[in-house]
Amino acid sequence: GEDVEQSLFLSVREGDSSVINCTYTDSSSTYLYWYKQEPGAGLQLLTYIFSNMDMKQDQRLTVLLNKKDKHLSLRIADTQTGDSAIYFCAESRAGGYQKVTFGTGTKLQVIP
Amino acid sequence: EPEVTQTPSHQVTQMGQEVILRCVPISNHLYFYWYRQILGQKVEFLVSFYNNEISEKSEIFDDQFSVERPDGSNFTLKIRSTKLEDSAMYFCASSEGGLGPFNEKLFFGSGTQLSVL
Repeated sequence: GEDVEQSLFLSVREGDSSVINCTYTDSSSTYLYWYKQEPGAGLQLLTYIFSNMDMKQDQRLTVLLNKKDKHLSLRIADTQTGDSAIYFCAESRAGGYQKVTFGTGTKLQVIP
Repeated sequence: EPEVTQTPSHQVTQMGQEVILRCVPISNHLYFYWYRQILGQKVEFLVSFYNNEISEKSEIFDDQFSVERPDGSNFTLKIRSTKLEDSAMYFCASSEGGLGPFNEKLFFGSGTQLSVL
């Protein structure tokens, strides 16, 4: 079955860049996502990338996809304390209501 | 921005009791989902629901679980006889439907923390 793996924890200093990595197994993945979960809140979709893309940039966020290695990363430039949260990598196939498979989440701690 | 609303935020129940978790999806959305996250583990898909029937369910979603859209706005998850291992955060989600990540984008509620004692 599908599987998505992430490291559990990342600590960075405010102002530095953060890079959160993810690997997945499903070669049929069409969409890859990054979700953010703040304490006591739901899962917020940050950004997504089609599997036929290598990179997507959205303000401070850069997503890199290596489809051959099934590796996805999220880079947050100029990390702020407000970026402290759990970041989930996720994937799905196309098809209207396909289920999303999530990773374990990476807890990002930003040190002032 | 429209949001998915879940109630209650916390639910404590005794093992063997029935619980109903409630959700109000975004009004023009057509697809509805339940996910759960056991503490320290992955967010897991439970079930998707469309056109008043289950579209897909995981192996977790056994006969103890059921979903219902009792009216035009609510979407509920019922656990008939709760077990200790049902303790988790349960997330409801909805999506507009149609192809493409925008239409398939899931909007999640803030979750119901279920504790089975």
